[in-house]
Amino acid sequence: KQEVTQIPAALSVPEGENLVLNCSFTDSAIYNLQWFRQDPGKGLTSLLLIQSSQREQTSGRLNASLDKSSGRSTLYIAASQPGDSATYLCAVPYNNNDMRFGAGTRLTVKP
Amino acid sequence: GAVVSQHPSWVICKSGTSVKIECRSLDFQATTMFWYRQFPKQSLMLMATSNEGSKATYEQGVEKDKFLINHASLTLSTLTVTSAHPEDSSFYICSVPLLTANTEAFFGQGTRLTVV
Repeated sequence: KQEVTQIPAALSVPEGENLVLNCSFTDSAIYNLQWFRQDPGKGLTSLLLIQSSQREQTSGRLNASLDKSSGRSTLYIAASQPGDSATYLCAVPYNNNDMRFGAGTRLTVKP
Repeated sequence: GAVVSQHPSWVICKSGTSVKIECRSLDFQATTMFWYRQFPKQSLMLMATSNEGSKATYEQGVEKDKFLINHASLTLSTLTVTSAHPEDSSFYICSVPLLTANTEAFFGQGTRLTVV
């Protein structure tokens, strides 16, 4: 059974700081790993998709890394801004390609 | 553009009434769709898998008689919350399966259900 864990559960940083969010998964036989952003009361915004054969993927100030063998992924956010405040979720495909999600990291970036 | 369209985005209903949520696959035919539920400050959990032309499969602990799923066509799945109670208040979101192993997962916009 695939279990996805994210730490920390919550994080508060001052604006401008670089930060790392962590995601771990128990079954390393994954196709890919996806990072999402969720604003309060809203749906999911896909941030980055990292394939199982890739080590990292970048989009703007975001960089996701993947170490399949150790079952870990990190999301690095550079020069954080108040607009980055949201919950960040990682997820991996499972079984019939439904997704298994971590519990998320609630990020607050203070001006 | 959106790959999956979900309606309504929010709904408030009285306790004891039923609410229907629609999930449409816009760009391709989907023989399977997934329904998730997210309680406040918790993550998304798979509720059930909707199968076109056959019965839905439900995850453990999800009442199939309460959450009726109909996948009447290759582009539409509906979730009906029957006899809704305040504890059913949640965020419901649907998705379609991965097109390939190398593509991202696509989700609907989600539906915020509040039962009063």
